[in-house]
Amino acid sequence: AQKITQTQPGMFVQEKEAVTLDCTYDTSDPSYGLFWYKQPSSGEMIFLIYQGSYDQQNATEGRYSLNFQKARKSANLVISASQLGDSAMYFCAMRYSGNTPLVFGKGTRLSVIA
Amino acid sequence: ETGVTQTPRHLVMGMTNKKSLKCEQHLGHNAMYWYKQSAKKPLELMFVYSLEERVENNSVPSRFSPECPNSSHLFLHLHTLQPEDSALYLCASSQEYQGAVGYGYTFGSGTRLTVV
Repeated sequence: AQKITQTQPGMFVQEKEAVTLDCTYDTSDPSYGLFWYKQPSSGEMIFLIYQGSYDQQNATEGRYSLNFQKARKSANLVISASQLGDSAMYFCAMRYSGNTPLVFGKGTRLSVIA
Repeated sequence: ETGVTQTPRHLVMGMTNKKSLKCEQHLGHNAMYWYKQSAKKPLELMFVYSLEERVENNSVPSRFSPECPNSSHLFLHLHTLQPEDSALYLCASSQEYQGAVGYGYTFGSGTRLTVV
């Protein structure tokens, strides 16, 4: 079965420091996409970054980068220079074989400390 | 207006009431979704509509009834709910292409539902 695992229920990081949020996935499908979403306390899910299984380079979007290790089936999110506004829930998600709904992990709550 | 809009943002209803949640997308997407997010639980997929046809219903109780009159609008009709149905209900849309995996979802801001 396709599965996403986020093992860190909660994380703390000092402002301006970098933080890594872990995500591992399980699929036998060679074609899949990996997504990260941020959910502030307001509730809206905000798309952050995408990595395709055939992409040769790790995805980057501003302060967000994805550490994609295909052999280990991991897609960790790295946030550089953390800001207080980064405090939120972060969800890793996967889509495989097209036309299938996104599968979400349980999320990691990140708290940025001043 | 752009993106995905959900109304109302907050809803309090009694167990005997009937109410509806509305979702509207202005992105030209061809698929829409309802998710339930309870406290300390993972996101639960409730319904999927692709090209206005329901393609998945994850064993959701019949007290939840979806409706998708066109590709831009999605409703969730609620009746005789239970207190455990209190949650954040999220709507999302995406563009579906056969075999394509690179299309993520755009979410609305959600409706916080409290059943009393």
